[in-house]
Amino acid sequence: KAGVTQTPRYLIKTRGQQVTLSCSPISGHRSVSWYQQTPGQGLQFLFEYFSETQRNKGNFPGRFSGRQFSNSRSEMNVSTLELGDSALYLCASSTSGGEVEKLFFGSGTQLSVL
Amino acid sequence: ILNVEQSPQSLHVQEGDSTNFTCSFPSSNFYALHWYRWETAKSPEALFVMTLNGDEKKKGRISATLNTKEGYSYLYIKGSQPEDSATYLCAPATGNQFYFGTGTSLTVIP
Repeated sequence: KAGVTQTPRYLIKTRGQQVTLSCSPISGHRSVSWYQQTPGQGLQFLFEYFSETQRNKGNFPGRFSGRQFSNSRSEMNVSTLELGDSALYLCASSTSGGEVEKLFFGSGTQLSVL
Repeated sequence: ILNVEQSPQSLHVQEGDSTNFTCSFPSSNFYALHWYRWETAKSPEALFVMTLNGDEKKKGRISATLNTKEGYSYLYIKGSQPEDSATYLCAPATGNQFYFGTGTSLTVIP
């Protein structure tokens, strides 16, 4: 069974640009959540999607958005990039996103904003 | 937002030593407590999910306990091995949302 796949693995952008990250969950998983990891910070929750609907959103500016497709694949978009957006972005999937379900993480996308 | 604290921040132990770390969280807002292991250059991997006060889980040399009334969980590693070197994350979960701590970085010296 294939794991969670994130693309691209690395990205370099400049300030003001926008970026789209992709996440393909494990087959059969309908919940996809996104996290940001910066040095010294824990995994910061961005948002969670289930059956194409955003159920939860973390405390991030509106420049961060996402969506989920009917095949459960998810994309995350960051517009008007800032230097502080440089981070590792992880997505995780689970069957239905319940609190007792283990999360399965992808390898992440390392975003560098210059 | 849940305030989750993990201690210590980092730990160096000799191979064969036993060790433990702490995860503290507000006891009122809670449904499940997760532990994940994150090895360098890999993805975080789930270790345990616990929900009941007094719950204990074990996986090989690693075990965890949960105290929901006082809001803490302990992770124990018995006879640490170099392959145990990783960052250990805890995450209380409530309302379909997971709140990760900053982790404890463990280095096991051969």
